[in-house]
Amino acid sequence: AQKITQTQPGMFVQEKEAVTLDCTYDTSDPSYGLFWYKQPSSGEMIFLIYQGSYDQQNATEGRYSLNFQKARKSANLVISASQLGDSAMYFCAMREGSYSGGGADGLTFGKGTHLIIQP
Amino acid sequence: DTGVSQDPRHKITKRGQNVTFRCDPISEHNRLYWYRQTLGQGPEFLTYFQNEAQLEKSRLLSDRFSAERPKGSFSTLEIQRTEQGDSAMYLCASSARGEQFFGPGTRLTVL
Repeated sequence: AQKITQTQPGMFVQEKEAVTLDCTYDTSDPSYGLFWYKQPSSGEMIFLIYQGSYDQQNATEGRYSLNFQKARKSANLVISASQLGDSAMYFCAMREGSYSGGGADGLTFGKGTHLIIQP
Repeated sequence: DTGVSQDPRHKITKRGQNVTFRCDPISEHNRLYWYRQTLGQGPEFLTYFQNEAQLEKSRLLSDRFSAERPKGSFSTLEIQRTEQGDSAMYLCASSARGEQFFGPGTRLTVL
């Protein structure tokens, strides 16, 4: 079974609209971390937001927020007021295991969602 | 620039040749990761160092692949006897607190 599932291969969204990118995950470890990265066409992976499994509140970073629903094993990324520069690939990723101030294991990534913002 | 750097950015080689890539992490980061990304896929974890110790290796890391981080600073990833299936983007990342910061990658093309 896939550990990270992103069911939207591609999305077209009008500029200034809000966007929700879906991510579900599968783990039996009670301690884990969830990450979202953006990869523009230039290729670099840009860290956007992090949510720990024990965090009580949903993470927010500027226009990015993470809709964390632990019981559903869902960690959707919400981008408010989308901009043309948001067009990119978006990857959800998970790190399993205890987290005590530093990531231990490598990240497991989903297949990504290609987001295109239209003017 | 204090981000993760990788060298070279592009490498074209013939099948059977050996190649070596270098990664310089963010200076205060003690953890360093290598990933491989093929077209249309997310990155796949290869290996991880904490300081100079290689603590984890993926099953993707065949015996033709070797990685080192001799002084706990920069790291090298060597691929021996390259195959066409090795063509991919090789990404390096470093971390101190959890978030992994990625370099620009080395794109390998094996002819």
